[in-house]
Amino acid sequence: DVVMTQTPVSLSVSLGGQVSISCRSSQSLVHNNGNTYLSWYLQKPGQSPQLLIYKVSNRFSGISDRFSGSGSGTDFTLKISRVEPDDLGVYYCGQGTQYPYTFGAGTKLELK
Amino acid sequence: QVTLKESGPGILQPSQTLSLTCTFSGFSLSTYGMGVGWIRQPSGKGLEWLANIWWDDDKYYNPSLKNRLTISKDTSNNQAFLKITNVDTADTATYYCARISITTVGFDYWGQGVMVTVSS
Repeated sequence: DVVMTQTPVSLSVSLGGQVSISCRSSQSLVHNNGNTYLSWYLQKPGQSPQLLIYKVSNRFSGISDRFSGSGSGTDFTLKISRVEPDDLGVYYCGQGTQYPYTFGAGTKLELK
Repeated sequence: QVTLKESGPGILQPSQTLSLTCTFSGFSLSTYGMGVGWIRQPSGKGLEWLANIWWDDDKYYNPSLKNRLTISKDTSNNQAFLKITNVDTADTATYYCARISITTVGFDYWGQGVMVTVSS
């Protein structure tokens, strides 16, 4: 199975600040078809996860451009700029390149 | 508007079979490229992918559950199903169904989740 390692485990940020979350995979996430199926999700307190980013850097419908994804191969980053109160929660990376799909353990974003 | 909603028994005893239903709207599982996945989350813990079913009836399972899983669909009624046999307390979790497409290969719409407790 592909192991997804997220760092840090938790992050404190001031409103308006910028943060980065790292996600590393134990194997390359480049699919045979050339796509890289790395997604980012946010789970707000008491809610279901929501898709933010797919295929490394594509924002899902309705997602603010304050969220950006980058990376390649085994090393990926989610950046959140101008952090707002509604951004708080747990962020997960997940891969769909290889079965079984796997997720990182999560990064909790809290207010400083 | 895409919506999904899970339903299940709430509580069941060890060794029983867990049957979950995902009722969705706003898309069809007969449409090329569409799929539904099941993901679970024990309280306070992370996400675990369980299974996917695709428009062409392709099915994929998490081997960690050792052949206990069966995923199926009813395209006419816009439903997907997941069965987990021989449950034990480790299967206690919130179970989510979510839409997936070959465009994103990410779960783009999620249900609200259904809590399942396995207890004797």
